[in-house]
Amino acid sequence: KAGVTQTPRYLIKTRGQQVTLSCSPISGHRSVSWYQQTPGQGLQFLFEYFSETQRNKGNFPGRFSGRQFSNSRSEMNVSTLELGDSALYLCASSPQGNGYTFGSGTRLTVV
Amino acid sequence: AQTVTQSQPEMSVQEAETVTLSCTYDTSESDYYLFWYKQPPSRQMILVIRQEAYKQQNATENRFSVNFQKAAKSFSLKISDSQLGDAAMYFCAYRRGRDDKIIFGKGTRLHILP
Repeated sequence: KAGVTQTPRYLIKTRGQQVTLSCSPISGHRSVSWYQQTPGQGLQFLFEYFSETQRNKGNFPGRFSGRQFSNSRSEMNVSTLELGDSALYLCASSPQGNGYTFGSGTRLTVV
Repeated sequence: AQTVTQSQPEMSVQEAETVTLSCTYDTSESDYYLFWYKQPPSRQMILVIRQEAYKQQNATENRFSVNFQKAAKSFSLKISDSQLGDAAMYFCAYRRGRDDKIIFGKGTRLHILP
């Protein structure tokens, strides 16, 4: 059974650009959550999608957005990138919202 | 707001010895879930153990066990017979309900000394 797949693994972007990260959950999992991990702030919750609807949202500015497709794959988008957006972005999936399985993350560097 | 505190940024233990990682949390809820996650250099967060607050019995998974003290809001992780592969960042985490977000502590980096 394939795990949670995040693409790309690494990304370098310039300040002011936008970026889209992708997450493919485990087959059959309908919940996808996104977390930002930085050395200073640790792991912070971005948002969660369940059956294509945003169910929970963290305290991030509107530049951070996401969506979920009918096949449960999810994307998150960050517009107008800032240096402080450099982080490891982790995606987690679960069947109903418990028992989360995490992916290996996308390391985003903003220069 | 719920918070999770891990007071030990780093710890070291000799291979084959036992180590305990501390975690305290703050919540006004009576029903919730607690977790310990491991993050090795590969970056993937791996669930080590979970505990439902309504269960009195401490969870155990092979060499990993917890000491859950609900009244004290304490949730420590004990690793027995430490192995080199246990070296990682360990995160204590809390979730209020099945559909709620997970709140993580800042983590404890565990070193295993050969």
